[in-house]
Amino acid sequence: DAGITQSPRHKVTETGTPVTLRCHQTENHRYMYWYRQDPGHGLRLIHYSYGVKDTDKGEVSDGYSVSRSKTEDFLLTLESATSSQTSVYFCAISDSTGGTDTQYFGPGTRLTVL
Amino acid sequence: GENVEQHPSTLSVQEGDSAVIKCTYSDSASNYFPWYKQELGKRPQLIIDIRSNVGEKKDQRIAVTLNKTAKHFSLHITETQPEDSAVYFCADGGTSYGKLTFGQGTILTVHP
Repeated sequence: DAGITQSPRHKVTETGTPVTLRCHQTENHRYMYWYRQDPGHGLRLIHYSYGVKDTDKGEVSDGYSVSRSKTEDFLLTLESATSSQTSVYFCAISDSTGGTDTQYFGPGTRLTVL
Repeated sequence: GENVEQHPSTLSVQEGDSAVIKCTYSDSASNYFPWYKQELGKRPQLIIDIRSNVGEKKDQRIAVTLNKTAKHFSLHITETQPEDSAVYFCADGGTSYGKLTFGQGTILTVHP
């Protein structure tokens, strides 16, 4: 499955606590993305990265931050988790150079905020 | 930004029938339209995609058509099988950085 792993795979946390999700790839792809998936909303882009230290906001970025210090790792941080951030989070990678290439998804992280 | 509407939200067919899912998009500059299949508890996986320089693409029982004038694209599955049961998502690939805007998804159920 395209050499993408996510950790942790499941996490339960309490409101107000910080949470960091990790996406790791072995494909050396330039582009990495974080999506959240909620019933009735499909997948929505949170943040994306187009290179080391190059990141930008997606559709639903409020309450989230990201970092990419090396090609293979893309971290998603919830500084102070809220119940509305309970969701399944998917990381994806792409080698797109013109917005027209396949995105491969990681296995997902199920996050529950109590 | 881009907006993608997907219909229907649920689709139930008998094995052997055809299934059609339609999506409309808003950005006329968009040039890449993938379709993903997601089985329960699994990750989305690409099943077919189409680029704006073609009107139709086929891969065995699956086909996608694109109408750029009307800004819509459709997934066609023929001779459906129970293992086709899943959630299907269309997406608009926009024009930059490969960002995808997804439709809301269609739950396809194929009854034996």
